[in-house]
Amino acid sequence: AQTVTQSQPEMSVQEAETVTLSCTYDTSESNYYLFWYKQPPSRQMILVIRQEAYKQQNATENRFSVNFQKAAKSFSLKISDSQLGDTAMYFCAFMPTQGGSEKLVFGKGTKLTVNP
Amino acid sequence: KAGVTQTPRYLIKTRGQQVTLSCSPISGHRSVSWYQQTPGQGLQFLFEYFSETQRNKGNFPGRFSGRQFSNSRSEMNVSTLELGDSALYLCASSLDWADYTFGSGTRLTVV
Repeated sequence: AQTVTQSQPEMSVQEAETVTLSCTYDTSESNYYLFWYKQPPSRQMILVIRQEAYKQQNATENRFSVNFQKAAKSFSLKISDSQLGDTAMYFCAFMPTQGGSEKLVFGKGTKLTVNP
Repeated sequence: KAGVTQTPRYLIKTRGQQVTLSCSPISGHRSVSWYQQTPGQGLQFLFEYFSETQRNKGNFPGRFSGRQFSNSRSEMNVSTLELGDSALYLCASSLDWADYTFGSGTRLTVV
């Protein structure tokens, strides 16, 4: 069974600074997707960034970037120039690409607070 | 474009009752998935529907069921509610593989 572990239940950062959220996963699959989702108080899960395991290049979306280490099964999220609007729960998620299973496996989440 | 719409937004039910939650996907999306979010268990997959067929089911008791209509709208039903069913229920729709859009969820409280 696949598992996703986020070891930091809570983190805080000062506005304009950089923060890194950690995520490790366990799987025997060779092809899969990894995701970071943001869940603000509005409750809607918003996709921050997506990485396909076969791509060696780390994904980047504006201020958000990942450090994907396939051998170590690690997928950390770096937020640069943190903004107050980045305050939210962040979830790391995994999904295999084979087997016809469109099923996301989520970590427990990291509560990020950006302080002014 | 309109997003994923879940109704109702909040719901309070009594133990033993049943409840039906609704999810309207983004127009053109044929896949709809449901997730349960609780403080203790986190986010857990319930089931996924594609073109009115259940393609995948999570590890939940038979009290949890769902269906999808020809217009891709989906409903999930929980019968004989228990206190532990109190949760945020999230729906997600997708057009392509691994491209999900989530709704804002239905907060169910069982008393």
